[in-house]
Amino acid sequence: DIQMTQSPSSLSASVGDGVTITCRASQNINKYLNWYQQKPGKAPKLLIYGASSLQSGVPSRFSGSGSGTDFTLTISSLQPEDFATYSCQQTYNTPRTFGQGAKVEIK
Amino acid sequence: QVQLQESGPGLVKPSQTLSLTCTVSGGSISSGSYSWNWIRQPAGKGLEWIGRIYASGSTNYNPSLKSRVTISVDTSKNQFSLELISLTAADTAVYYCARDVGYPYGMDVWGQGTTVTVSS
Repeated sequence: DIQMTQSPSSLSASVGDGVTITCRASQNINKYLNWYQQKPGKAPKLLIYGASSLQSGVPSRFSGSGSGTDFTLTISSLQPEDFATYSCQQTYNTPRTFGQGAKVEIK
Repeated sequence: QVQLQESGPGLVKPSQTLSLTCTVSGGSISSGSYSWNWIRQPAGKGLEWIGRIYASGSTNYNPSLKSRVTISVDTSKNQFSLELISLTAADTAVYYCARDVGYPYGMDVWGQGTTVTVSS
């Protein structure tokens, strides 16, 4: 199985801050990487697909980059509704695997 | 737009079998080249992919669960289902169904999730 490791596991930030979350794959996955946002008690929501493409309806302050084994999710200016947990997922092969999640909390 | 809704028991006894159904509304489960997935999440932990099925009936399972899992589809009812046997407390989780559009797209539609507790 491909292991997905995210860092940091949690972070505190203020509204308006820029935030970067990283995701590392245990092997080359090209650009087969998606990012999801999850709020407490809710299902995950697709933010970024193919490592860098913004899902329809997702604000442009979210962006993704990377290929191979190293990927980043960036939120350019945190908004109150962005405080959530963010998870990466590889779609290079099965079993699909997710990172452990990165929780973005209010400072 | 397409919506997914999980249904099934919230409490199951150890060693028994869990059966969950995901009902697809607002679109046909047979249209497109989507895969229909089950994912679970224990409280406070990350997401675990259980497996997927295509409308054709083709399946893929997580090897960690493969010996205990069956995913099936009923196109006439626009539903797909999960069966997980020999339950233990470690199977306690929120179970989600989700549609995967396929590369490069991801799981774009999710059910709200259903909480399953394994306890006597």
